[in-house]
Amino acid sequence: AQSVTQPDIHITVSEGASLELRCNYSYGATPYLFWYVQSPGQGLQLLLKYFSGDTLVQGIKGFEAEFKRSQSSFNLRKPSVHWSDAAEYFCAVGATLGNEKLTFGTGTRLTIIP
Amino acid sequence: GAVVSQHPSWVICKSGTSVKIECRSLDFQATTMFWYRQFPKQSLMLMATSNEGSKATYEQGVEKDKFLINHASLTLSTLTVTSAHPEDSSFYICSARDLRGGGTGELFFGEGSRLTVL
Repeated sequence: AQSVTQPDIHITVSEGASLELRCNYSYGATPYLFWYVQSPGQGLQLLLKYFSGDTLVQGIKGFEAEFKRSQSSFNLRKPSVHWSDAAEYFCAVGATLGNEKLTFGTGTRLTIIP
Repeated sequence: GAVVSQHPSWVICKSGTSVKIECRSLDFQATTMFWYRQFPKQSLMLMATSNEGSKATYEQGVEKDKFLINHASLTLSTLTVTSAHPEDSSFYICSARDLRGGGTGELFFGEGSRLTVL
């Protein structure tokens, strides 16, 4: 069965600093990987996704993620965070491109300090 | 992008009563919508797939009679928590896939509905 682990429950970074959120997955075949962001009182918004090809994926809001098969990881990065990036971030894995049965990680809450 | 809206965003009810949560796709039609449940500090768990004009498909372990799903139109799915109890308190989130433009489409999520059962 597929699973996703986000080891960091809560991360605090200074505005302007770089960010990396960790995500490890477990899946027997080539996974479809996603990162979502959830702001308070709002729905989940897709940041980026990986299906195949280039292992470095660019997303919205300046985020990127790198798929590393050898490490079963799909870490999210941003070179310089903004106060508006404070939110909950979820990594998810699916079996197929259109598979709605995504398995989500437990999320990482990001706090930005001035 | 496409918008999915849920109502109410939060609700408090007494134990034993039923609560209905609505999920609407505002600018696209969705033949299929999905309902998730999120406990504090935990992942989103898929509860059921709501199919327009037919019965919902429930995930293993989800009580069909407890969580009634109706998808009467292409833009509206409802989740009714029947005879709610405190253990049903949770954050419920719906999603829908926008298939306009072909392809597999992107999954859009509602803002969630927080249910508290006293």
